[in-house]
Amino acid sequence: DIQMTQSPSTLSASVGDRVTITCRASQSISTWLAWYQLKPGKAPKLLIYKASSLQRGVPSRFSGSGSGTEFTLTISSLEPDDFATYYCQQYRTFGQGTKVEIK
Amino acid sequence: EVQLVESGGGLVQPGGSLRLSCAASGFTFSSYWMNWVRQAPGKGLEWVANIKEDGSDTFYVDSVKGRFTISRDNAKNSLYLQMNSLRAEDTAVYYCARIMGGGEDYLDYWGQGTLVTVSS
Repeated sequence: DIQMTQSPSTLSASVGDRVTITCRASQSISTWLAWYQLKPGKAPKLLIYKASSLQRGVPSRFSGSGSGTEFTLTISSLEPDDFATYYCQQYRTFGQGTKVEIK
Repeated sequence: EVQLVESGGGLVQPGGSLRLSCAASGFTFSSYWMNWVRQAPGKGLEWVANIKEDGSDTFYVDSVKGRFTISRDNAKNSLYLQMNSLRAEDTAVYYCARIMGGGEDYLDYWGQGTLVTVSS
């Protein structure tokens, strides 16, 4: 099975910061990767699919890049609503999550 | 507007059973694969099971095979998860989620989840 490893596990940042989260696959997955945002008590939200395609309705400050085994999710300027936990996903496997918290 | 609303969670003893439901609206339910994904307390997301549009194919994570059954009723726009022989490690928030259409295997809509607690 393909393993997905996210880093960091926790990230402290301030409003306005540029934030980057990395996801590594144990073998090449081409661009088959998605990013999700989770907040307690709310429905998880698809942000990025196919590594770099922005889901409809997601703000353009979110972007994804990468192919093969290394991928990144970037938030260009952190907003208060962005403090959440982010997961990458390849098919039926999720990364372990990255919690973005207030610095 | 696409909506997925889970129900049926609660407290159950180890070895017990529970049936989760997911009511879908705002889209043609019978045209989409559907999934159950869970998140144990303090843990990450774990895919549990999915089912083809017409219910003819189902897949499960190894840890629930033989204990959980995913099913759907397209006439009622509903997805189900029958959970038997429940264990403490099945304690989690269970989400239903739709697979994006068009051959893209991503989960584009999720419900808010229902909490299952397995404890004596």
